[in-house]
Amino acid sequence: QKEVEQDPGPLSVPEGAIVSLNCTYSNSAFQYFMWYRQYSRKGPELLMYTYSSGNKEDGRFTAQVDKSSKYISLFIRDSQPSDSATYLCAMSGGTGFQKLVFGTGTRLLVSP
Amino acid sequence: DAMVIQNPRYQVTQFGKPVTLSCSQTLNHNVMYWYQQKSSQAPKLLFHYYDKDFNNEADTPDNFQSRRPNTSFCFLDIRSPGLGDAAMYLCATSKTRGNTEAFFGQGTRLTVV
Repeated sequence: QKEVEQDPGPLSVPEGAIVSLNCTYSNSAFQYFMWYRQYSRKGPELLMYTYSSGNKEDGRFTAQVDKSSKYISLFIRDSQPSDSATYLCAMSGGTGFQKLVFGTGTRLLVSP
Repeated sequence: DAMVIQNPRYQVTQFGKPVTLSCSQTLNHNVMYWYQQKSSQAPKLLFHYYDKDFNNEADTPDNFQSRRPNTSFCFLDIRSPGLGDAAMYLCATSKTRGNTEAFFGQGTRLTVV
């Protein structure tokens, strides 16, 4: 079993839809959670960074962390064609050097 | 505006011919990372520097080396590239080892012919 599981998609939605992207994980030591957006042939861009459980909102993006269920989500409101990209979750935690562990990414396609 | 800059964006090298990829940062972060990302896969950490302290991942092949001559620059050397080393190579930085909010460069896409 992978430490971080993420559905690869693709997830296809019409413009304006609410998008829900999710990751599950197995390591209870994880306490830092990130979402990255990666356009084709580009580097990952940090979208959201959260510590421990709870919600964080930034514009059209909301990140949720449920540590009790080992489940994190990224919601995108009023999705736009420019949101079409691969979304990677990443997380870390524990003692010593806190290596980022990535999901494989979910490809999102928003059609006009 | 670019904070983590990778050069070149695209690199073609011959099988077995040494190649060097470069990364620079304007964030003054202590930690610099090199990741390898193959198509539709998660980024895989190769190694990281905490200041001048080099840390290799256990499963990183000996073929991959790195240098960090100063805070701003870090290089990835592939001594004898094989066809299996074709990938996107990503440089990232974070302020400290405990703060894993990592910022990535645009990547270098390596092709081995």
